[in-house]
Amino acid sequence: GENVEQHPSTLSVQEGDSAVIKCTYSDSASNYFPWYKQELGKRPQLIIDIRSNVGEKKDQRIAVTLNKTAKHFSLHITETQPEDSAVYFCAALPGAGGTSYGKLTFGQGTILTVHP
Amino acid sequence: DTEVTQTPKHLVMGMTNKKSLKCEQHMGHRAMYWYKQKAKKPPELMFVYSYEKLSINESVPSRFSPECPNSSLLNLHLHALQPEDSALYLCASSQDRGQGETQYFGPGTRLLVL
Repeated sequence: GENVEQHPSTLSVQEGDSAVIKCTYSDSASNYFPWYKQELGKRPQLIIDIRSNVGEKKDQRIAVTLNKTAKHFSLHITETQPEDSAVYFCAALPGAGGTSYGKLTFGQGTILTVHP
Repeated sequence: DTEVTQTPKHLVMGMTNKKSLKCEQHMGHRAMYWYKQKAKKPPELMFVYSYEKLSINESVPSRFSPECPNSSLLNLHLHALQPEDSALYLCASSQDRGQGETQYFGPGTRLLVL
């Protein structure tokens, strides 16, 4: 099945700095890569996603890049703010033809702390 | 409306109790999911329903029994649970189980088994 590795496990930055979180996946059939933000005691919330036919996607201060050949994708947050502090999960979803079709596999998470 | 609702928010139960968790969505989604999440860990998939039929069971113990009464509702029946089953139980839904479908999560039920 799919395996997703996420690094770093913790990330501490100063307000205004950029933050980068990286993930690798194993199943070449994966074609959808969402990123979720989970604040303490809350549900995972989708913040951005990318599909395998796109190399980069941006939404205001958040961007995601995908390298299908290397099987890795990254989340970039610019001009970080204290309210960006949360746990961030990457995930990969294999499409039809994969042994894990339809099963969203998460990375282990990154605890991001933004210091004022 | 991209909301998935879950009840109850919190649940405390003994190991001999029987209880049920409920999940509801009105987005017309045809795939619904149960996940288990331990503290500081990612959600772990338990079950997937597609068009009201169970399509994935991730080798979950039989003390967890899912049910999909209709396309908007998903239940998880609990019986004879163990303390290690204490966790946040998340429901999610997506348009379909197919390719590139965003999963939207409910707020979860925080379960404590004594």
